[in-house]
Amino acid sequence: SQTIHQWPATLVQPVGSPLSLECTVEGTSNPNLYWYRQAAGRGLQLLFYSVGIGQISSEVPQNLSASRPQDRQFILSSKKLLLSDSGFYLCAWRGPAETQYFGPGTRLLVL
Amino acid sequence: QQQVKQSPQSLIVQKGGISIINCAYENTAFDYFPWYQQFPGKGPALLIAIRPDVSEKKEGRFTISFNKSAKQFSLHIMDSQPGDSATYFCAARNFNKFYFGSGTKLNVKP
Repeated sequence: SQTIHQWPATLVQPVGSPLSLECTVEGTSNPNLYWYRQAAGRGLQLLFYSVGIGQISSEVPQNLSASRPQDRQFILSSKKLLLSDSGFYLCAWRGPAETQYFGPGTRLLVL
Repeated sequence: QQQVKQSPQSLIVQKGGISIINCAYENTAFDYFPWYQQFPGKGPALLIAIRPDVSEKKEGRFTISFNKSAKQFSLHIMDSQPGDSATYFCAARNFNKFYFGSGTKLNVKP
C-alpha cells in the first residue's frame, strides 16, 4: 500500500531563516506530487505541483520554491522566511488513479 | 478567482440529523469531484468522490449528489454523529490540478 510522509511535523523558525520541508511517498512510482498551504481556518492553496523528476509548476508567486530530486521525493524550500509563510503545509500525491492523497502535514510558525 | 465555491462556511447539526454541504463550479473541464474530511491538525482524508457522468454516489452514511447541468454538487451526511465533526472540503480536478472549496466546519451536537 502507498504511504506518504512529511517531516518535520512541527517547525518554529525565526524570520529570515531558511526552510526545507520534505515529503516522500512509498509504494508507488512516478506519482504527481503537490505542495499546498493552509492558513489557520482557511482552505487549501496550491503552491507547486510536479509530474516528474525536475519538473515543477509554480502556482503562486511567493517566497518559496520546490524541487523534486527523486521520483518519490518533493522538497519545499525558502531562502528567507517571512511572517506570512506561517501555516500548515500539506504534501499530496496522485498515482494512476484519479484521487489525490494527503500527507499528515507540517505546521510552520515563523516568529 | 475561486473556481469552486462552497457553502455554508459552518454548520451545526443535531446528532442523527442530516448535514448538507454544497459546492458550485464554472469550469466544465472538471472531470472528477472528491470530498475530503479534515480533523484539526491532520491532513485531509478522502471521503467520497464522483465523476460527472454519475448523478449520485453513496458510501455508507455519505452521499454525493451531482447536477451537471447546474454545475453543482453536494455532500449529504445521513444520521450525523459527533465523530463527524470536522472540516469538509469539496474539490474539482482539471487534468493535473485540483481546485478546492473554502471548507465547511461541521459541528454535530450530541
